[in-house]
Amino acid sequence: NAGVMQNPRHLVRRRGQEARLRCSPMKGHSHVYWYRQLPEEGLKFMVYLQKENIIDESGMPKERFSAEFPKEGPSILRIQQVVRGDSAAYFCASSPSSGTITGELFFGEGSRLTVL
Amino acid sequence: RKEVEQDPGPFNVPEGATVAFNCTYSNSASQSFFWYRQDCRKEPKLLMSVYSSGNEDGRFTAQLNRASQYISLLIRDSKLSDSATYLCVGQSGTYKYIFGTGTRLKVLA
Repeated sequence: NAGVMQNPRHLVRRRGQEARLRCSPMKGHSHVYWYRQLPEEGLKFMVYLQKENIIDESGMPKERFSAEFPKEGPSILRIQQVVRGDSAAYFCASSPSSGTITGELFFGEGSRLTVL
Repeated sequence: RKEVEQDPGPFNVPEGATVAFNCTYSNSASQSFFWYRQDCRKEPKLLMSVYSSGNEDGRFTAQLNRASQYISLLIRDSKLSDSATYLCVGQSGTYKYIFGTGTRLKVLA
């Protein structure tokens, strides 16, 4: 039973390029979260999605960042025209439903973006 | 004020010691609470939920004090394998989980 799968695990981009990070939630999970973690900092909420719907993107920068979770396929976090400050670990988490009783989010291993 | 605030540490303790972490929260992150554990360069994993009455899981005890708006995690008989960062998490609304910056623990042989 595969857990949350993220790829790529490591991504290097030059300033101005685009980064696409993919996340396949656990089987049976229809809720996906994206978090960003800078070195020595906590996880910052970015966006919460359900299939084909963005529910809350209040943590996403207004420009250059977008996320989707299509009916078929993984959730994608897209960063256009990357800058050095985008270098971070991006974690995806899934849950079977919102307000899950146990509060357990299942995290992927993260995608580490380095912008040169 | 941050919604969920923790002392970053590090807490360096000898094996077998008892160590406690506190975490304070604001009203916006006050529905439910959890402790997660994150090993270096790994993903966070749920350690335990925090109930109003307090709860225990083996060597770990979590408590919630709503009047003072803090939660705590107590680890007894520390093991080397307990070395990690412990993340305090508050739930806001039905789906928003707000993470503290984490408290680093190093258990020394």
